[in-house]
Amino acid sequence: GEDVEQSLFLSVREGDSSVINCTYTDSSSTYLYWYKQEPGAGLQLLTYIFSNMDMKQDQRLTVLLNKKDKHLSLRIADTQTGDSAIYFCAETFNDYKLSFGAGTTVTVRA
Amino acid sequence: GEEVAQTPKHLVRGEGQKAKLYCAPIKGHSYVFWYQQVLKNEFKFLISFQNENVFDETGMPKERFSAKCLPNSPCSLEIQATKLEDSAVYFCASSLGQGTPLHFGNGTRLTVT
Repeated sequence: GEDVEQSLFLSVREGDSSVINCTYTDSSSTYLYWYKQEPGAGLQLLTYIFSNMDMKQDQRLTVLLNKKDKHLSLRIADTQTGDSAIYFCAETFNDYKLSFGAGTTVTVRA
Repeated sequence: GEEVAQTPKHLVRGEGQKAKLYCAPIKGHSYVFWYQQVLKNEFKFLISFQNENVFDETGMPKERFSAKCLPNSPCSLEIQATKLEDSAVYFCASSLGQGTPLHFGNGTRLTVT
């Protein structure tokens, strides 16, 4: 299957942590990804995690993977106004093609 | 190059006209993908190439859409006789190999009037 689901909106106060959640269906996915899209811009590869890992940390970003529950999350520490964007969760399907979620719009308020 | 380059950024076509979009993948990447982003942020896979060969075209509307990746040329996506519903942002992505991360370009916004 190639269904990826994520919540549509998240509002967070500047300086707080943001957590974006995602569930996926293809248990054979080798990589799971987080992409960021700012208004009118392209897709920026934020981070990705290999399916045999539980966690990956990269500066302010922490990715957690629960393979049993097919649950992926992205935590952004000390959220800034520049983090306002749409965040897409994606899984590899058939080991090369990406299947995207609908995107979570993150709004950072002062 | 170090990034996926898509041209043009914006393209406006009257219904029935042809549209041609270009993509230069990252140097050394052997896979190229085309995705269509429509309303509500939905991404639809169109086609992928392994070097100049079509790898997977299961998402392509065969009647009016065609794509090519020829040696020493940018890849292209062509839409003959555009329709209003073709209005979308078309993203190109490339990857080093199967199972490796996809890197996306900034997209081409196609508006069909």
